[in-house]
Amino acid sequence: NAGVMQNPRHLVRRRGQEARLRCSPMKGHSHVYWYRQLPEEGLKFMVYLQKENIIDESGMPKERFSAEFPKEGPSILRIQQVVRGDSAAYFCASSARDGIFYEQYFGPGTRLTVT
Amino acid sequence: EDQVTQSPEALRLQEGESSSLNCSYTVSGLRGLFWYRQDPGKGPEFLFTLYSAGEEKEKERLKATLTKKESFLHITAPKPEDSATYLCAVSRGSNYKLTFGKGTLLTVNP
Repeated sequence: NAGVMQNPRHLVRRRGQEARLRCSPMKGHSHVYWYRQLPEEGLKFMVYLQKENIIDESGMPKERFSAEFPKEGPSILRIQQVVRGDSAAYFCASSARDGIFYEQYFGPGTRLTVT
Repeated sequence: EDQVTQSPEALRLQEGESSSLNCSYTVSGLRGLFWYRQDPGKGPEFLFTLYSAGEEKEKERLKATLTKKESFLHITAPKPEDSATYLCAVSRGSNYKLTFGKGTLLTVNP
């Protein structure tokens, strides 16, 4: 029973390039969440998606960041024109359903380094 | 704004030396309190969910408890493999948006 999968595990981008982070939820899970962990800080919620729908993007920076979860394929977190401050670990989590009894299970993360 | 404060920031124990980690929270209408374990370079691993004051859950050497203002993660007779960062998170209203504390880095020496 595969867990949440993320790729790439490590990503290096130069300032101004685009970064694409992919997340495949656990089998049977249809809810995906993205979190960011900056050095010396806790995990911060970014966005919550269901298939073909963005439910809550209140934690996403207003510019350069976007997320999608298409009908087929993984969820994508896209960062355009990356800056050094985007360097962080990005974690994806999934749950079976939204609701009080369904926990979020996390993937191994993508470590983004902007040079 | 929801707040989660974990203490201590770091804890060093000898193997077999029991102790507790604290998670205090300020949230309007707590829905759930979650404990995760995170090893270096890995994603958080789910441990427990607690929903109401007085609730307790156990798993091997770990026991989580919840009051109206804080949660404790008790570690009984820890082993070196229990070394990790332990994260606490809360949710309110809808379950999906977790607010995390900064974690407690636990080191268990043999």
